[in-house]
This record gives sequence, C-alpha cells and structure tokens, in this order.
Amino acid sequence: RKEVEQDPGPFNVPEGATVAFNCTYSNSASQSFFWYRQDCRKEPKLLMSVYSSGNEDGRFTAQLNRASQYISLLIRDSKLSDSATYLCVVNAGGSYIPTFGRGTSLIVHP
Amino acid sequence: DTGVSQDPRHKITKRGQNVTFRCDPISEHNRLYWYRQTLGQGPEFLTYFQNEAQLEKSRLLSDRFSAERPKGSFSTLEIQRTEQGDSAMYLCASSLWRGSPDEQFFGPGTRLTVL
Repeated sequence: RKEVEQDPGPFNVPEGATVAFNCTYSNSASQSFFWYRQDCRKEPKLLMSVYSSGNEDGRFTAQLNRASQYISLLIRDSKLSDSATYLCVVNAGGSYIPTFGRGTSLIVHP
Repeated sequence: DTGVSQDPRHKITKRGQNVTFRCDPISEHNRLYWYRQTLGQGPEFLTYFQNEAQLEKSRLLSDRFSAERPKGSFSTLEIQRTEQGDSAMYLCASSLWRGSPDEQFFGPGTRLTVL
C-alpha cells in the first residue's frame, strides 16, 4: 500500500458544482497535512494547510479524519480557474519527511 | 524576484553523462528540498537540507545522485552516469523551519531529458 493515495481522476465538473477529493495515508504517526495546487507544467503551490479542527478558506474547506486516516478537500461553486491538479502532502516521522500523493486532476467546464 | 530559482530550466544529455542542477532558495529559508516528478505523479522526495546539513536522503535514491548545500545557501544536485530512467522534472523547494512543517515554496524546476 502506498503511503499516500489519491484518486487521479480526472474529475470533470460543470462551473458552479461542488466537488470533493479524498487523500488517504498509511502512517498513523503522520503529523501535518497540506493541500497543494499544481497547474499544468507549473510548480506546486500551497493551497491550504489541514488542521485537526478543519480549515476553511473561501470556497475551499479541508478536513482531517485521523481515525480513518484521510484528509479531504471540498471546493464549492467551482470556477473554470479551479482546473488543476490537487496534491495532498503528508508529513510523518520525527524528521517530517513530506510525502506527496500523485494528485487528483480537476477539470471545470462551462 | 525573490522566489526560488533553478538553473538550468531544461537539460538534454546523453546517457552516461554527468549533470548538475542548481537551486537558489528564498534567502531567509533554512530548509531546502529536492524532489523528482514524472508525468502523472506527485513530487517524489529525494533529499533535504537544514542550513548546510543534509538531514535525510530517500532510501530509493541511487548513489549516482548527490546533493550539496555549501554555506547553507544555494544547493546543487548532481547525477552521475545518467540513465534514461532519470528523465524527469527536478524540483527544488525551500521553507522556513520553525519546529513544524510549513509552506514549501517551489522553484520552476529543471526538466532533464536523457537520450
């Protein structure tokens, strides 16, 4: 089993839709979690951190479920500009080595 | 521009040649990471530095790969005797470590093609 798993998609949704992605992790000692966004042929950029209490930033909501070992990202009122690959990152162990998932591709169409 | 920079942006080499990439992090950042990314995959951790010390190296990393960060500023990643399987995007990222993981800022990457 991979350390961090994501459904690669693509998720193809119309503008205005709500879409959710999950990311599962295998190391129960994982300590910190992030969502990054990567546009085609560009570098990843931080979208948001994932706190134990959840995190909301505008149309984006991130949640952590430690019991089931997954994090989620919810995007409401999707925009064309949300089309990108969403990477989850899990940091585990004493040295917090970051492990990226393979990413979930989102395509928002008119 | 005060972001992370990488040089070169593209490198084409023949199998068996050595290549070296450079990364200049954000100046006040004490951590520097190297990743490799192939199509359809997320960035794969290679190694990281805190200041000038290389603290961790991926167990999957061949001994043909070596990295340095002299004086805790820029870093270089060298691949010796390149193989076609080394073809990938090599990403560098930096962060300000204050006791827990925080945002990593990525450079634009160096795309390596091994013929």
